[in-house]
Amino acid sequence: SQTIHQWPATLVQPVGSPLSLECTVEGTSNPNLYWYRQAAGRGLQLLFYSVGIGQISSEVPQNLSASRPQDRQFILSSKKLLLSDSGFYLCAWSPGTSGSNTGELFFGEGSRLTVL
Amino acid sequence: GENVEQHPSTLSVQEGDSAVIKCTYSDSASNYFPWYKQELGKRPQLIIDIRSNVGEKKDQRIAVTLNKTAKHFSLHITETQPEDSAVYFCADWYTPLVFGKGTRLSVIA
Repeated sequence: SQTIHQWPATLVQPVGSPLSLECTVEGTSNPNLYWYRQAAGRGLQLLFYSVGIGQISSEVPQNLSASRPQDRQFILSSKKLLLSDSGFYLCAWSPGTSGSNTGELFFGEGSRLTVL
Repeated sequence: GENVEQHPSTLSVQEGDSAVIKCTYSDSASNYFPWYKQELGKRPQLIIDIRSNVGEKKDQRIAVTLNKTAKHFSLHITETQPEDSAVYFCADWYTPLVFGKGTRLSVIA
């Protein structure tokens, strides 16, 4: 069966420090991968999505970047964190079929980031 | 781009009553509409979905209806229980998935 792992689960970082969140999917190949952010009490904001290795689409201009170095690995990064980067970050995957989006979205357990 | 409007943003009901959450979408080509439930501090999980070739789908106390002409779909929860309290998100399987802003449902015992 397919599983998604995301880490770290929680982190507290000072303003200006770097960030790296990692997500891996097991049990499937060529998944579509996503990074969402959820501010406290707010909705799900799509940050990045990827339909293949090295293919990253950004939904909003921001202080963050994403990379997909391997088929089932998705990394969210920042060189210098801002206070506004605080939130709950969720990695997700969906079955990829020739680059199209079909089916259910499966979320990782999330990473809670606090920037002080 | 695609836009999904969700209402209400908060909803309180007495235990045993019904709850209805409504969403509208803009792209007439949309054909898949999932609903996700997110309990406090946890990840969203799919609870029910509907495809555009059907008008209604039920799963025990949960149902979703779709009106393609009016471009809206609704989540219905009957006989609500305290464990139904959560944030519910509708979505439109555009490219990529577009979520509504969520409805915080509180079921009062």
